[in-house]
Amino acid sequence: GAGVSQSPSNKVTEKGKDVELRCDPISGHTALYWYRQSLGQGLEFLIYFQGNSAPDKSGLPSDRFSAERTGGSVSTLTIQRTQQEDSAVYLCASSKPSGVYNSPLHFGNGTRLTVT
Amino acid sequence: KNEVEQSPQNLTAQEGEFITINCSYSVGISALHWLQQHPGGGIVSLFMLSSGKKKHGRLIATINIQEKHSSLHITASHPRDSAVYICAVKTSGSRLTFGEGTQLTVNP
Repeated sequence: GAGVSQSPSNKVTEKGKDVELRCDPISGHTALYWYRQSLGQGLEFLIYFQGNSAPDKSGLPSDRFSAERTGGSVSTLTIQRTQQEDSAVYLCASSKPSGVYNSPLHFGNGTRLTVT
Repeated sequence: KNEVEQSPQNLTAQEGEFITINCSYSVGISALHWLQQHPGGGIVSLFMLSSGKKKHGRLIATINIQEKHSSLHITASHPRDSAVYICAVKTSGSRLTFGEGTQLTVNP
C-alpha cells in the first residue's frame, strides 16, 4: 500500500480481555515503531523493530504488552488482560533503514482502543 | 524537567500572521523531527533535521545543535494550519522522545 496501514481503526473491549493490534508498514521500510497517545497526553514510545535486530522493548509499560514482527514486515501489538488505563490511540510508524542517515517517519492512522 | 520542552503550549493567530513554535531539548540527539497532528488524530512528519535549516512551502524548520534548540516557522498562516505541532528528538539508539505539543489555532 501507499502508506502505513493499521487495523482495526477502533476497538472496544472489556477489561481483562486480550487484544491484538496490527500494523502494515510501507514496503521496504525496515524500521517500525509503536507509540501510544492517551487522551490529552503526548506520544509515548512503546517498542521499535529494526530489520532482524533484537527489538527495543524499553517503552513497553508492563509485561502485559508484547509485540512481534513477522517476516520483517507486519507487526502485531498484543495487550493481555486489558485494563482501563490501556485506553489510548496506538500508533504505528515506519521508516527506511536507519543508520548513518536518519529517515522520516510515516505514521498510520492509529487504532483507538477503549477498555470498558 | 522534560527532556523536550515546547513553547508555547497554545497559540492563537490571525490568518496571515507569521508563526514560530520553539523546541528545546536537554539531551544529545542524532535528529529532530517536527510532526503535525490534525484534529482527526492523523500524524504527518513535516521535517527531520540534524543541522541547519529546511524549507517546504510555507514551513521552515531550523535547528541549532550547540544551543539545543529548534524552531518551526509558518509564514502567511492559514486556518488549515490549525493542528498540534509536535517536536520529537532521536536520542540513543531508536528511541524518540516527544514534546507535549503546541496547539495552534489560526482564525480567519
